[in-house]
Amino acid sequence: DIVMTQSPDSLAVSLGERATINCKSSQSVLYRSNNKNYLGWYQQKPGQPPKLLIYWASTRESGVPDRFSGSGSGTDFTLTISSLQAEDVAVYYCQQYYSSYTFGQGTKLEIK
Amino acid sequence: QLQLQESGPGLVKPSETLSLTCTVSGGSISSSSYYWGWIRQPPGKGLEWIGSMYYSGTTYYNPSLKSRVTLSVDTSKNQFSLKLSSVTAADTAVYYCARHVVVAGIPYYFDYWGQGTLVTVSS
Repeated sequence: DIVMTQSPDSLAVSLGERATINCKSSQSVLYRSNNKNYLGWYQQKPGQPPKLLIYWASTRESGVPDRFSGSGSGTDFTLTISSLQAEDVAVYYCQQYYSSYTFGQGTKLEIK
Repeated sequence: QLQLQESGPGLVKPSETLSLTCTVSGGSISSSSYYWGWIRQPPGKGLEWIGSMYYSGTTYYNPSLKSRVTLSVDTSKNQFSLKLSSVTAADTAVYYCARHVVVAGIPYYFDYWGQGTLVTVSS
């Protein structure tokens, strides 16, 4: 199994500031034949199901605000929220789909 | 707007079989562009993929659960179902159904999720 490890486990950021969440995979999720990273990011607010934010590591899902961006390649990935809004308080998960499907343990994002 | 809704018993006894159904509205379960999957989340914990199924019957299972999982689809009702046998307290979780996006015949990420249903395993 590919193990996904997120850091930090929790994060407190001031409104309007940048939030950065990291995700590391135990093996590369870059498929060299198409140069795509098989990685997605999800947002889960309390009492709600996860919501897809980013797929192919950096493609924003339709309707997701452009303050959310994904980057990275191979084994190291980052989700960045450029200017934190109150509605961004949530737990964020990365997911690999290179080999089966596994999720990171989650990063809880709060307001400082 | 696509909607997915899980249904089934909220309480299952240990050693019995957990059975859930997901009803899809606002779209066809027979679409060639999607598989249909199940993911669970134990209280206060992270997400675990259980398995995914194509309308034609092709399935992918989590190897760690494969021996206990059965997926099925009913295209006439636009529903798909999960059965998990020999449950224990460790199977207590919120169970989500989700649409699994297909690219070149392979499912990858999940773009629509149901609200989830809590299933508790207890005598």
